[in-house]
Amino acid sequence: AQTVTQSQPEMSVQEAETVTLSCTYDTSENNYYLFWYKQPPSRQMILVIRQEAYKQQNATENRFSVNFQKAAKSFSLKISDSQLGDTAMYFCAFLETSGSRLTFGEGTQLTVNP
Amino acid sequence: DSGVTQTPKHLITATGQRVTLRCSPRSGDLSVYWYQQSLDQGLQFLIQYYNGEERAKGNILERFSAQQFPDLHSELNLSSLELGDSALYFCASSQLTGPYGYTFGSGTRLTVV
Repeated sequence: AQTVTQSQPEMSVQEAETVTLSCTYDTSENNYYLFWYKQPPSRQMILVIRQEAYKQQNATENRFSVNFQKAAKSFSLKISDSQLGDTAMYFCAFLETSGSRLTFGEGTQLTVNP
Repeated sequence: DSGVTQTPKHLITATGQRVTLRCSPRSGDLSVYWYQQSLDQGLQFLIQYYNGEERAKGNILERFSAQQFPDLHSELNLSSLELGDSALYFCASSQLTGPYGYTFGSGTRLTVV
C-alpha cells in the first residue's frame, strides 16, 4: 500500500518570504500522480498543484511550485511571496494511475505571520 | 463553489442514533469518495463508488455503509453512533482515471453528544 509522510507538523513563515513544505511517499508503481491540497480554517479542501510522475518538469502554479524527485520519492511544495491567506493546513497526496484511492499525508500546519 | 454538494453542513445527534449524509458529485463525475477527518487528523479514506457500484473500501466501520444511486448522488449512513464518530466527513468526486485529483465538497460536520 502507498504511504505518504509529511515530517513537519507545523511551520511558520513571515509574510513575503519563501517556505518549503516536505513530503515523501512510498510506492512500487512507476506511474502515478501527486498533489498538494490546502485546507484553510474554513475546512474546505482546495487543490493547490498537481504533478504527473512521468513528467520530469516540475509543476508551477503562480506562487506555488514543486520539487519532484522521483528517485528519492520526494515531493516538496515551495510557496513564494507568502501571503496571510496562505495560512492553512497543507496535505500532500498520492494517487495511483487506476485512480481508485487518494492517499493523504498527515498534513503540515503553515502559519504566515505579518 | 466546487460543484460537489454535501448536505447537511452541520449535524448534532446523540449516541446510538443513525444519520445519513448526502453528496451530489460534480456534473460529469462518475466516482464518489467518502473521507473522514477527525479533529486535527488527516483524511482517512472510507469508501469509493463508481457509477453505482462499490469500487474500493478503506477503513470503514461495519456500522457505516454507503451507496450511490442511479442519479449518481451518494449517501453515507452512520449508525449506532459513538462519541468517537464526531468528525468532518468529506465527499469528493472525480472522473475515474482523471489525473486531476478529486474535487471536494465542503464537508458535513458531525457532532455526537
